[in-house]
Amino acid sequence: KAGVTQTPRYLIKTRGQQVTLSCSPISGHRSVSWYQQTPGQGLQFLFEYFSETQRNKGNFPGRFSGRQFSNSRSEMNVSTLELGDSALYLCASSVDRPNEKLFFGSGTQLSVL
Amino acid sequence: GQQLNQSPQSMFIQEGEDVSMNCTSSSIFNTWLWYKQDPGEGPVLLIALYKAGELTSNGRLTAQFGITRKDSFLNISASIPSDVGIYFCAALTQGGSEKLVFGKGTKLTVNP
Repeated sequence: KAGVTQTPRYLIKTRGQQVTLSCSPISGHRSVSWYQQTPGQGLQFLFEYFSETQRNKGNFPGRFSGRQFSNSRSEMNVSTLELGDSALYLCASSVDRPNEKLFFGSGTQLSVL
Repeated sequence: GQQLNQSPQSMFIQEGEDVSMNCTSSSIFNTWLWYKQDPGEGPVLLIALYKAGELTSNGRLTAQFGITRKDSFLNISASIPSDVGIYFCAALTQGGSEKLVFGKGTKLTVNP
């Protein structure tokens, strides 16, 4: 069974640009969660999607958005990039709700210059 | 808020030593988890704890769910070089909008 796949692995952008990150969950998993990981702050919850609906949201500005498609694949978008958005963005999937059976992808490392 | 305070931030130990780390919160949780993250990878679940006072082992790893439900502990015995990585505690929030909240991690370095 394939794991959670995130693309791309690495991205370099400049301030003011926007970026879209993609996540393909494990087959059969319908819940997708996104986290931002930085050295100083650890893993910060961004949002969770289930059945194409955002079910939960963390404390991030509106520049961070996401969506989920009918096949459970998810994308997150960051507009008007700032230097502080440089981070590892992790996607995780679970069958129907975030719980201990949450499987993480390897992440997308975003660098904003 | 539902923050987890994890300590220590980093540890430098010799191979064969035992390691202890802990996680505390001002909030009560019903599920505590411990993850390990290797460089370039996402976190992987090590141990899940569901009951206050519970002590669970996974090989050389032992974790405990504090009886107040506000803390958890992880011990690694007889450390080996492959134990290197970042260890995260996490807790599952409940009440209709479930998510995992994470501690900031303990970076473990093992010197052979």
